[in-house]
Amino acid sequence: DQQVKQNSPSLSVQEGRISILNCDYTNSMFDYFLWYKKYPAEGPTFLISISSIKDKNEDGRFTVFLNKSAKHLSLHIVPSQPGDSAVYFCGGGDSNYQLIWGAGTKLIIKP
Amino acid sequence: DAGVIQSPRHEVTEMGQEVTLRCKPISGHNSLFWYRQTMMRGLELLIYFNNNVPIDDSGMPEDRFSAKMPNASFSTLKIQPSEPRDSAVYFCASSLDSPNTGELFFGEGSRLTVL
Repeated sequence: DQQVKQNSPSLSVQEGRISILNCDYTNSMFDYFLWYKKYPAEGPTFLISISSIKDKNEDGRFTVFLNKSAKHLSLHIVPSQPGDSAVYFCGGGDSNYQLIWGAGTKLIIKP
Repeated sequence: DAGVIQSPRHEVTEMGQEVTLRCKPISGHNSLFWYRQTMMRGLELLIYFNNNVPIDDSGMPEDRFSAKMPNASFSTLKIQPSEPRDSAVYFCASSLDSPNTGELFFGEGSRLTVL
């Protein structure tokens, strides 16, 4: 049972444009959500998080939106830069510190 | 494919005891990662192996922690002696660097409680 789904395996965006990565979840017990970025041959690095009681969190070029009624969250990157090319993982966590990850979306920023 | 397999799923132990967590990566994957998940710090990378060789262990908190990967299909993370602040969920993950897709597959985690 995939509690967290990232339905787009890959996404290609022109440099300077907005990148939107989507994530759907089924577990209503998640207390928080995380986005991680991973470069090839490196471990994921934390990008941004959002509490389940909020609907938006912004950090520089990165904004995460949470729609609890739709059980959907998205990561917006604007403007997209070549260094943003990576795999992005969405994860949901509960109060027991369990973290469920999606399969990842590979973002390619075209120059 | 069975995915990344971790054991035990849950471990409760007393302070001072030795704890060993185990991981079986996905067959054919040549990179293995150990992570620790806490509410305060999120997901922390502890150590990263590539082709069974430790590449980056800068995230290992202190000498009480050690990790080994004797072969391509098995890794252990050992804490000796354990302390209450080690209580967390420990994730193992593996990936295939060739082709270099960057995909990382996590196990379900081992939840450690040190009393």
